[in-house]
Amino acid sequence: GQQVMQIPQYQHVQEGEDFTTYCNSSTTLSNIQWYKQRPGGHPVFLIQLVKSGEVKKQKRLTFQFGEAKKNSSLHITATQTTDVGTYFCAHRPGGYQKVTFGTGTKLQVIP
Amino acid sequence: EPEVTQTPSHQVTQMGQEVILRCVPISNHLYFYWYRQILGQKVEFLVSFYNNEISEKSEIFDDQFSVERPDGSNFTLKIRSTKLEDSAMYFCASRYSGTKNYGYTFGSGTRLTVV
Repeated sequence: GQQVMQIPQYQHVQEGEDFTTYCNSSTTLSNIQWYKQRPGGHPVFLIQLVKSGEVKKQKRLTFQFGEAKKNSSLHITATQTTDVGTYFCAHRPGGYQKVTFGTGTKLQVIP
Repeated sequence: EPEVTQTPSHQVTQMGQEVILRCVPISNHLYFYWYRQILGQKVEFLVSFYNNEISEKSEIFDDQFSVERPDGSNFTLKIRSTKLEDSAMYFCASRYSGTKNYGYTFGSGTRLTVV
């Protein structure tokens, strides 16, 4: 099946610094979803991207889907302590119901 | 905001025992899922359920696992004979089917500890 790898695995940033996590696939993805999981919590759906080169923003979060639809990124501007958690990209292949999650990037924000 | 409800929040069971994890999906959602997450690892797909039958399942979802929607609201995951390696957080999720392709709504999970 299609595997999505994320880098970095861990990231520590000072509050106010920017943060980016990258999601890469060896094959073309029909869509990419992003989820946030707070420590001890459950994944929470953030967004879905479907178009080549698509860019979407949610306040300080910017999501991008690559032109070749093989990679995606999530960028957080001026991190806050509330951004702490693990960010997962995920993919739902066309015609299937299951969503396959990436390996996740754990973000720690130092106040 | 509508929620997916899971019970219990924590279950401790002896190896070899049967457990049933319960979920109440969001009422107008049509697709239901179980995922699990071993501590510190990624979220793994177990099974999807639609129109009262399994639509997909993973290699993890072997004969020891079963799902049911007994009464139109509850959605259960049964593990017949638990093993130590079944210890994990189990998440139920549901999804709306409509013109927009929404992501999943996850429940807060059941932490299963097999001893």
